[in-house]
Amino acid sequence: RKEVEQDPGPFNVPEGATVAFNCTYSNSASQSFFWYRQDCRKEPKLLMSVYSSGNEDGRFTAQLNRASQYISLLIRDSKLSDSTTYLCVVNIFGSGNTGKLIFGQGTTLQVKP
Amino acid sequence: GAVVSQHPSRVICKSGTSVKIECRSLDFQATTMFWYRQFPKKSLMLMATSNEGSKATYEQGVEKDKFLINHASLTLSTLTVTSAHPEDSSFYICSASRTPQGAGGYTFGSGTRLTVV
Repeated sequence: RKEVEQDPGPFNVPEGATVAFNCTYSNSASQSFFWYRQDCRKEPKLLMSVYSSGNEDGRFTAQLNRASQYISLLIRDSKLSDSTTYLCVVNIFGSGNTGKLIFGQGTTLQVKP
Repeated sequence: GAVVSQHPSRVICKSGTSVKIECRSLDFQATTMFWYRQFPKKSLMLMATSNEGSKATYEQGVEKDKFLINHASLTLSTLTVTSAHPEDSSFYICSASRTPQGAGGYTFGSGTRLTVV
């Protein structure tokens, strides 16, 4: 079983639509959680951290359910520039108390005019 | 903000040769650096974690003698792909953190696209 699982998509939505992505993780010792975006052939860039209380950043809302080991990202009023791959990422602490980021496969979003 | 410079951005090498990739933190001291590999349409896979002055910790299935990692200073880590083969062709990305626990976040380099011919 993959440590972080996402539906790869692609999700094709019209501009202005609301779209939601889900992610599950298997390691209950995961400490912190993030959504990154990765444009084609580029490095990943942090979109937002995810907190248990839920958090919002403009059109983006992230939720974390530790009991279900489930993370979500909601995008409202989609823009063309939202077209990219969204990576669900967890930070797991291993030996020596060193954290390491584990990435999901990514979910591809294509917003169409 | 924190900046990590990765060089070269792309490299083509002949099978059997070695390639060195550098990762530098430009405006902060990176106690911990990470090396990832990404195949097309796949996720970033962590290869190894290195703490400054210590030997790198490799993930299961990653050959430490093939992928040599050096983290001799707080601003520089290198990954050397030894005796490269076509199957080593991939996108390699480094990431740096101020602390082993990731305090302050993780900053990524822009990646190196390696093609072995």
